[in-house]
Amino acid sequence: KQEVTQIPAALSVPEGENLVLNCSFTDSAIYNLQWFRQDPGKGLTSLLLIQSSQREQTSGRLNASLDKSSGRSTLYIAASQPGDSATYLCAVELLSPDKLIFGTGTRLQVFP
Amino acid sequence: DVKVTQSSRYLVKRTGEKVFLECVQDMDHENMFWYRQDPGLGLRLIYFSYDVKMKEKGDIPEGYSVSREKKERFSLILESASTNQTSMYLCASSLAGILVSGPIGAKNIQYFGAGTRLSVL
Repeated sequence: KQEVTQIPAALSVPEGENLVLNCSFTDSAIYNLQWFRQDPGKGLTSLLLIQSSQREQTSGRLNASLDKSSGRSTLYIAASQPGDSATYLCAVELLSPDKLIFGTGTRLQVFP
Repeated sequence: DVKVTQSSRYLVKRTGEKVFLECVQDMDHENMFWYRQDPGLGLRLIYFSYDVKMKEKGDIPEGYSVSREKKERFSLILESASTNQTSMYLCASSLAGILVSGPIGAKNIQYFGAGTRLSVL
């Protein structure tokens, strides 16, 4: 059974720091991996999607990598800002059935 | 922009009531999903649908049913609400999944509604 783990569960950093969020999964038979952001009391917003054949994706200050063989993904946030404060969730999409399995998230706080 | 709208942000219901949670998407997406989100457990899939009148059980379907009579609307039904169904409910949609041939990427991205926080007393 696929399990997705995110470490750390919570992170508090000063503004301007570069930081790395980790995601690991137990079964490498995935279709893709997605990173989401969730603000308190709100729904999820998709940040990046990495196909199983890719190794990384970039969007602005965000860079996500995927190492399928070792079951790991990282989300790198450069020059963090207070507006980056949110919970970040990773999810793997299975080959069969077609659904996402989510980690429990990393709650990030960036203070001025 | 894709818009996924959930009919209520907050709901308070009594044990035993029949509860309907409605979700509407405006981008002609094939797939729609219902999740619940609980502290320490993350998001768990309740039901999903690939097409009108089609439904598939997720990981925790017990106590729930769904209805998809029109492509844009996916309803989650709690036949007899119980206190352990107090949770945040999130609806999502995606253009298509791996069952549809073609390049993956954008079509697999799930777009979420703002969520419905349901309290069952």
